[in-house]
Amino acid sequence: KNEVEQSPQNLTAQEGEFITINCSYSVGISALHWLQQHPGGGIVSLFMLSSGKKKHGRLIATINIQEKHSSLHITASHPRDSAVYICAVRGASNYQLIWGAGTKLIIKP
Amino acid sequence: KAGVTQTPRYLIKTRGQQVTLSCSPISGHRSVSWYQQTPGQGLQFLFEYFSETQRNKGNFPGRFSGRQFSNSRSEMNVSTLELGDSALYLCASSLGLGQDYGYTFGSGTRLTVV
Repeated sequence: KNEVEQSPQNLTAQEGEFITINCSYSVGISALHWLQQHPGGGIVSLFMLSSGKKKHGRLIATINIQEKHSSLHITASHPRDSAVYICAVRGASNYQLIWGAGTKLIIKP
Repeated sequence: KAGVTQTPRYLIKTRGQQVTLSCSPISGHRSVSWYQQTPGQGLQFLFEYFSETQRNKGNFPGRFSGRQFSNSRSEMNVSTLELGDSALYLCASSLGLGQDYGYTFGSGTRLTVV
C-alpha cells in the first residue's frame, strides 16, 4: 500500500462544478503540499499545510491531522484548471517528500 | 526574481552514455531536490542537497548521483544510461531544509535514452 493515496485518479467535470480531490497518508508528517502540474510539465506549488485550512482564490485546501487526510477543493471550476493535482507529504522523521500518484482533472467548457 | 532554471530542457542520449543535468535555484534558496517523473511511476524522489551536502536520498541505484556547489547550484549525473532512465527530471528549490518553506520547481529536463 502506498504511503500517500490520492482519489480519484481521474476526474472529468463540467465548467462551474465544485471539485474535490482527496489525499490520505499513513505516515507522520511535518507538512502536506498540494501542487499543480500542467501538460507542459511545469509544477506549481499551491499550498503547504500543517493544520487547518487555507484558501487562495477559488482553491481551498484542508487537512485533518488526526484522520491523516487532506482535501483540495476548487470552486466554480474553469477549463484552465485542467491539470494534474499532486499531494505530497513531508515525513516527520526523515523529512523526505513522499508523493501521491496525482489526480488528472479535466474541466469541460 | 528569476525562477528555478534547469538546463538543458531536452536531451537525447544513447544507452551506456552518461548525462549531467543542471539546476540553478532561486537566489537565496539553499536547498535543492531532484525528482524523476515517468508515466508509470509518477514522481520519485532522487535526492536533496542543502549547503553542499546530500541530506536525503531516494531509492535509486548508484548510477544516479548529484552534487551541490557553494552557490547552491546543483547537478545530477546518471552514468551508464538505460532505456528506463527516459523521464522528465525535475528539480525544486527551497529556502531551507527540515522545516518546510515551500518548493519552487523548474520546468524540468526531458531525457530520452535510445
